[in-house]
Amino acid sequence: GAVVSQHPSRVICKSGTSVKIECRSLDFQATTMFWYRQFPKKSLMLMATSNEGSKATYEQGVEKDKFLINHASLTLSTLTVTSAHPEDSSFYICSALRDWGPNEQFFGPGTRLTVL
Amino acid sequence: GDSVTQMEGPVTLSEEAFLTINCTYTATGYPSLFWYVQYPGEGLQLLLKATKADDKGSNKGFEATYRKETTSFHLEKGSVQVSDSAVYFCALSDRNSGGSNYKLTFGKGTLLTVNP
Repeated sequence: GAVVSQHPSRVICKSGTSVKIECRSLDFQATTMFWYRQFPKKSLMLMATSNEGSKATYEQGVEKDKFLINHASLTLSTLTVTSAHPEDSSFYICSALRDWGPNEQFFGPGTRLTVL
Repeated sequence: GDSVTQMEGPVTLSEEAFLTINCTYTATGYPSLFWYVQYPGEGLQLLLKATKADDKGSNKGFEATYRKETTSFHLEKGSVQVSDSAVYFCALSDRNSGGSNYKLTFGKGTLLTVNP
């Protein structure tokens, strides 16, 4: 149990286009989900906290108009990278905080975004 | 702010060798400490955790002890296996950082390769 999926696993897009990444908790409900960005040889950087039914909370330095987050249901959060540029190329990872049981984040496998 | 510093890899060991991956932290409050593991092609999984000073977390032969006096949480295993090859992340969650109790701050990760 406690599986989190991400879709797509890899995406390549042209500069200026928008890309949507989905994060789903497959067998549990998650009011709270998190979006991270991972740079090569660097730690995971928390971008934002996604809360079902309310606005996401962004970390300092993260452009909320650039990285749109929608947590439409208790099992789905989406991250949309708008007007993507090459510097947005990265590995994006989501996690879901289970609504019941021990407080633990369950992580998705990540999405590799490449902007040409 | 909070930060985690862990031993940079990569680390290459022979099967049955002893493993230590160092991790130190800086936190303003009273953090919980975690080790996550990421196997190739998979999401991060919680390996073990400790929530207060002198606690020892253990799982699958891995151990780490929360040392407040040295602000450390070193990961150890007495005899590694090829199947332990993965990336290991040290992380903390600080209740008094002003944010959510569940926000995680990660180290950069250490790649471990175990050869037969």
